[in-house]
Amino acid sequence: NAGVTQTPKFQVLKTGQSMTLQCAQDMNHEYMSWYRQDPGMGLRLIHYSVGAGITDQGEVPNGYNVSRSTTEDFPLRLLSAAPSQTSVYFCASSLGTLKNYGYTFGSGTRLTVV
Amino acid sequence: AQKVTQAQTEISVVEKEDVTLDCVYETRDTTYYLFWYKQPPSGELVFLIRRNSFDEQNEISGRYSWNFQKSTSSFNFTITASQVVDSAVYFCALNGSGNTGKLIFGQGTTLQVKP
Repeated sequence: NAGVTQTPKFQVLKTGQSMTLQCAQDMNHEYMSWYRQDPGMGLRLIHYSVGAGITDQGEVPNGYNVSRSTTEDFPLRLLSAAPSQTSVYFCASSLGTLKNYGYTFGSGTRLTVV
Repeated sequence: AQKVTQAQTEISVVEKEDVTLDCVYETRDTTYYLFWYKQPPSGELVFLIRRNSFDEQNEISGRYSWNFQKSTSSFNFTITASQVVDSAVYFCALNGSGNTGKLIFGQGTTLQVKP
């Protein structure tokens, strides 16, 4: 049981490049979400999904796209990277709010945009 | 709107001191969940506790204890007899029943425990 797996762990991008951060979970969790962590600002929600085929925006969605074609995967796409997107990104999954067993987080992706 | 405030940005204590981390939340939901997470220097997020809005009993787990008071919208976390290994960033978070899939975090409190 791998839990929530994020790849890559580290990435350096040039301004304007695009890339996809991968997130996969093997716990059959309904809910998945992406957060970014910046110094002094805690974790802020980027996008979230309550099930396959359903996504919605969080607090800071601009510059990011997501899709949820399967229950297991929830990739985060940066369309044209900007230095302001330098951050640590965390993916999380949960069985669902009603049962609310809590959230399992991946180990994070440290992204630097130069 | 949902909001979590951790007013203490950094706290420094000497080992064996007790320390309380404050968390104040805002929500209009009647059913909600509160969490505490620990982020050690290695960077991962470690789940500490989940509390639902209908359970106001305080909880103790070893040196950790949590005080949930709905009247003041607070969910404070106390570490008794702190140890150097407790040094980390601690986050309080809120999940309201109307915010499916959303976890709202506070800004975090950096705790430094000196030997």
